[in-house]
Amino acid sequence: KAGVTQTPRYLIKTRGQQVTLSCSPISGHRSVSWYQQTPGQGLQFLFEYFSETQRNKGNFPGRFSGRQFSNSRSEMNVSTLELGDSALYLCASSFDLSPGYTFGSGTRLTVV
Amino acid sequence: DQQVKQNSPSLSVQEGRISILNCDYTNSMFDYFLWYKKYPAEGPTFLISISSIKDKNEDGRFTVFLNKSAKHLSLHIVPSQPGDSAVYFCAANFGNEKLTFGTGTRLTIIP
Repeated sequence: KAGVTQTPRYLIKTRGQQVTLSCSPISGHRSVSWYQQTPGQGLQFLFEYFSETQRNKGNFPGRFSGRQFSNSRSEMNVSTLELGDSALYLCASSFDLSPGYTFGSGTRLTVV
Repeated sequence: DQQVKQNSPSLSVQEGRISILNCDYTNSMFDYFLWYKKYPAEGPTFLISISSIKDKNEDGRFTVFLNKSAKHLSLHIVPSQPGDSAVYFCAANFGNEKLTFGTGTRLTIIP
């Protein structure tokens, strides 16, 4: 079966712009989580959506937002981009409340 | 506050020998622990997990040990193979809470 699909794979944006990243979970998975990976910081949790509702939220500023659609696809948006937002953004899906996430390959965002 | 810590950023091991990756946690509420492996330009892939009701879980060459009193878990890879070279993340959670990850250990297997 198809895995977790993230688009686009790579993105270059300018400071001050906004960006939207997309994630299509594995069919049947209702939980989608987003993580930011930067060197030395590991995977920092952004937020988790379950059945279109945000269930958990990490300690990121309000510039980072997300949503989930009825088909479980999810998007995250970052407004007013800063250089420090350059990172690999990973999406993970899981079935119901299982913690065994399956990750996508990520979107590499570079802010210049 | 880093609730899951991997204090060794890197580790080099000879091919065929045992690789031991360590992870410490501070939140006593954690009751489920996982290890993920990550290659460059790919997302992390699930490797092995352990529930807090166990102290050991084995899957082929991979064994995870959990010491609840010390709030410590370790991943043993025996024997180590070149394809095991990757970044390994430990993670933990409880209930419906988010998965909290460590900062990762880069394992290099030397042929």
